[in-house]
Amino acid sequence: EVQLLESGGGLVQPGGSLRLSCAASGFTFSNYAMNWVRQAPGKGLEWVSVISGSGGSIYYADSVKGRFIISRDNSKNTLYLQMNSLRAEETAIYYCAKTRRSGYVRAEADYWGQGTLVTVSS
Amino acid sequence: DIQMTQSPSSVSASVGDRVTITCRASQGISSWLAWYQQKPGKAPKLLIYAASSLQSGVPSRFSGGGSGTDFTLTISSLQPEDFATYYCQQADSFPLTFGGGTKVEIK
Repeated sequence: EVQLLESGGGLVQPGGSLRLSCAASGFTFSNYAMNWVRQAPGKGLEWVSVISGSGGSIYYADSVKGRFIISRDNSKNTLYLQMNSLRAEETAIYYCAKTRRSGYVRAEADYWGQGTLVTVSS
Repeated sequence: DIQMTQSPSSVSASVGDRVTITCRASQGISSWLAWYQQKPGKAPKLLIYAASSLQSGVPSRFSGGGSGTDFTLTISSLQPEDFATYYCQQADSFPLTFGGGTKVEIK
């Protein structure tokens, strides 16, 4: 059974940093690209970033480029998102999501974690 | 960036009704479109990929259609568990983008 478990969310001041983690199990982690998607309270879904299975291909939304860093440790089956210079409008639930097709970076997500809440406020 | 526009933003319907949601892309995306269902407090669930392929385990009352710029999600006979918000997403190019969502409410 595929499981994705995010952690690391919490309260952070504007301009601060936070590192999210997503522990994966139930599939061959290194074979699949992984995404971060966020959802502000009461709002829609916003794609944030994706990393290929090997970690060699990475893409970001323009809104986070230069401030967020996605990475993965395939030996630990864990995905990360380092978030720097956080803004109040980035308060959201952050989901990690597995790409459906093995070997594809640009694809839909078939499994999602339960999400972790990041609150950016002074 | 490719903009995804969903309509309507909300729809009121009764159990047993046929419901159709539309998603329009600002440029052609071939069939690189997915549909998700999200219930309050829960993560999104993949329903349809490649515009019309049903994800494993999803009831056959859900169907997707379209290609290029215009797409539809149809629920043939609405069930109580289908009241939720539905999102389309394009996977044609980065950044991946979602539609604004369509909330299906009980009439």
